[in-house]
Amino acid sequence: DAGVIQSPRHEVTEMGQEVTLRCKPISGHDYLFWYRQTMMRGLELLIYFNNNVPIDDSGMPEDRFSAKMPNASFSTLKIQPSEPRDSAVYFCASRPAAGITDTQYFGPGTRLTVL
Amino acid sequence: AQSVTQPDIHITVSEGASLELRCNYSYGATPYLFWYVQSPGQGLQLLLKYFSGDTLVQGIKGFEAEFKRSQSSFNLRKPSVHWSDAAEYFCAVGGNTGGFKTIFGAGTRLFVKA
Repeated sequence: DAGVIQSPRHEVTEMGQEVTLRCKPISGHDYLFWYRQTMMRGLELLIYFNNNVPIDDSGMPEDRFSAKMPNASFSTLKIQPSEPRDSAVYFCASRPAAGITDTQYFGPGTRLTVL
Repeated sequence: AQSVTQPDIHITVSEGASLELRCNYSYGATPYLFWYVQSPGQGLQLLLKYFSGDTLVQGIKGFEAEFKRSQSSFNLRKPSVHWSDAAEYFCAVGGNTGGFKTIFGAGTRLFVKA
């Protein structure tokens, strides 16, 4: 398996622009997580899905952030409009169904820079 | 409340010396405990995990961790550190409660000096 795939790996954009980050989880994994990592706040869970359904989005910072999972093999995290304080590394992770194992498998991350 | 505390923001050890990274957790049920490593510019990689059974667990790259329920700790150890171990290490706790979320600590950055 190729592991969790994220694209793009790097994104540089200007304030006010829309940004879309993409994630392909490991095939067969039922859970998908979006995290944000910054020096100041560490690793923060933004939202997670179970079987394509959003379960907990309490970590989404504000309405400018939205996430979707239209099918089991694809998810997006969108920021509109983007702001400089959104600059961070965004990780996607997937996990098999709970009860079998609780290990998360992380993608390589997308480094977002908002100018 | 569920939480993970890594008391050391950064640690410096000499190559060949032993290493112990501390982790304390708070979890309302039986915890699943993890250690992840993140090399610069990379995602997180699982080093080891504890679900049940033997409280001393072995992981990849020569790491081990010991679960001590009485101390709510899950410290990571390695008997002899290599320069390639320089990275950031995250302790995490999860389980079948709290919506199956995994809570990560703030991380400990390990520096290895020659």
